[in-house]
Amino acid sequence: GQQVMQIPQYQHVQEGEDFTTYCNSSTTLSNIQWYKQRPGGHPVFLIQLVKSGEVKKQKRLTFQFGEAKKNSSLHITATQTTDVGTYFCAGRSGGSNYKLTFGKGTLLTVNP
Amino acid sequence: ETGVTQTPRHLVMGMTNKKSLKCEQHLGHNAMYWYKQSAKKPLELMFVYNFKEQTENNSVPSRFSPECPNSSHLFLHLHTLQPEDSALYLCASSQADRVQETQYFGPGTRLLVL
Repeated sequence: GQQVMQIPQYQHVQEGEDFTTYCNSSTTLSNIQWYKQRPGGHPVFLIQLVKSGEVKKQKRLTFQFGEAKKNSSLHITATQTTDVGTYFCAGRSGGSNYKLTFGKGTLLTVNP
Repeated sequence: ETGVTQTPRHLVMGMTNKKSLKCEQHLGHNAMYWYKQSAKKPLELMFVYNFKEQTENNSVPSRFSPECPNSSHLFLHLHTLQPEDSALYLCASSQADRVQETQYFGPGTRLLVL
């Protein structure tokens, strides 16, 4: 079945440093979504990427979808303590309208 | 956020108990999901209901029994659980026929099986 690998599993940074998490799928994706889960909270949708090579920005967050639509990345510039949480990618293959396959997530901690 | 609500928020049960988790969505969506989130594991999709019909059952043990009486409510009936079933159970909903389909998660029920 479809697998989505996400690295790193953990990342600790000093406030102000940049952060990147990477996501790789075993199959070509129709789209990929990113979610953030704060400690003790639930996943909250951040963004969806659909097009090959697509790049989207949300303030300090930059999301990329690979040309082959099998990988994606989330980059945070100049991290803040409010960025703390687990970032998940979730891929959807063309064969299923409903099933999202989630990566294990990257837990980001930020030292003030 | 009150779009998707779940009750109870915390549950402790013995292995012989029977309990039910409840999820309600107020977003007018037509698809609902149960996920299991364990430590150090990815979110595991358990069940999918689309237009009240179960469209996916990801090889979940029969001690978990879902029920979807209408498009706004979803239940997960639990019986004779095992300690390894302790986890955060998340409900989500979406509008499955939209191109930009987003899943909205509830706050989850944190379950401890003793």
